[in-house]
Amino acid sequence: QVQLQESGPGLVKPSETLSLTCTVSGYSISSGYYWGWIRQPPGKGLEWIGSIYHSGSTYYNPSLKSRVTISVDTSKNQFSLKLSSVTAADTAVYYCARGSSSVYFDYWGQGTLVTVSS
Amino acid sequence: NFMLTQPHSVSESPGKTVTISCTRSSGSIASNYVQWYQQRPGSSPTTVIYEDNQRPSGVPDRFSGSIDSSSNSASLTISGLKTEDEADYYCQSYDSTLEVVFGGGTKLTVL
Repeated sequence: QVQLQESGPGLVKPSETLSLTCTVSGYSISSGYYWGWIRQPPGKGLEWIGSIYHSGSTYYNPSLKSRVTISVDTSKNQFSLKLSSVTAADTAVYYCARGSSSVYFDYWGQGTLVTVSS
Repeated sequence: NFMLTQPHSVSESPGKTVTISCTRSSGSIASNYVQWYQQRPGSSPTTVIYEDNQRPSGVPDRFSGSIDSSSNSASLTISGLKTEDEADYYCQSYDSTLEVVFGGGTKLTVL
């Protein structure tokens, strides 16, 4: 059974960098598929942040591209998100997910709430 | 870039059938697969339809998906509504650059 678990600070100060890690179990990241980050501000809809393929290719939401970096650590079977220069608008539940070849997310983490506040 | 537009909310009675639409603003709806996710309060989204009309194992056949090129839209139809179907539903697609787009979500109330 594929499982994903987000981890990282729940509180980040404005202008700082948000860093989250997704640990994958039950599947080897290097074996294929792609891996994505999606967020959901409180009471709002889903927003795709970006994805990384097992090859290392990355794809980012154009509205966030200048602030986002997604990377993979195959030795730890993890992938990570960094979002720089955060503001209160970046407060959201952040999900990591596995993407299929049909470009949909078939397995999701439970999500982690990140609040941007001083 | 494109947008996916969904109705903000729909409601229907138990046992009835409801359809949720998802309209693509530019580019053909048929060019890239459409997926549908169900999200109950406090939970992560789960897939109810993928590749336009495919159901993952475990999703009842009361859920079906379709696309209509004439209206450039996709639809999620839920028949035999149950109270447990009450949730938010999101459509999702992508473009040729593999940019992923979610619809704004539709709140389904089963009353």
